[in-house]
Amino acid sequence: QKEVEQNSGPLSVPEGAIASLNCTYSDRVSQSFFWYRQYSGKSPELIMSIYSNGDKEDGRFTAQLNKASQYVSLLIRDSQPSDSATYLCARGEGTGRRALTFGSGTRLQVQP
Amino acid sequence: EAGVTQFPSHSVIEKGQTVTLRCDPISGHDNLYWYRRVMGKEIKFLLHFVKESKQDESGMPNNRFLAERTGGTYSTLKVQPAELEDSGVYFCASSNAAEQFFGPGTRLTVL
Repeated sequence: QKEVEQNSGPLSVPEGAIASLNCTYSDRVSQSFFWYRQYSGKSPELIMSIYSNGDKEDGRFTAQLNKASQYVSLLIRDSQPSDSATYLCARGEGTGRRALTFGSGTRLQVQP
Repeated sequence: EAGVTQFPSHSVIEKGQTVTLRCDPISGHDNLYWYRRVMGKEIKFLLHFVKESKQDESGMPNNRFLAERTGGTYSTLKVQPAELEDSGVYFCASSNAAEQFFGPGTRLTVL
């Protein structure tokens, strides 16, 4: 079993809809979680971090964490074609500066 | 503020040759990480520097890989001798907190 699992997609949503991206992880020591967006041929760009159970909102993005279920998700409201990219879920041990373990990413396509 | 920079952006070498990749972190970031993504796989951790010290090198695949961070500023990752399976994109990231910021990567092709 992979440590961080994501559906590879593609996830296709119409413009203006809510895109829901999901990620599960296999261990109970993970304390920090991150969502990165990666356009083709570009570097991963950090868009959200979350450390506590519940929701964290930043603009059109909401990250949700459920440690009991070992599940983290990213919601993108009012999806735009420019949101089309691969979204990478990553987890870190503890809350400090440690190596990240990445999922393989979910490709999101927002249809105009 | 300048982001993480990496050089070169692309490198094509033959099997058995040596390649050195360079990473310049965000100014003031003590933590520097190397990761790589081989074709079709997820991004994998290689090692972590805190200033000039190796904090964690558990992800280094073998002794053909040597990373340095003299003076605690930029870092180099040398592959010697390169093998076909070393092909991929090598990313550097830096941080002063839990959030890591990635550079554009170096695409390495070993023929």
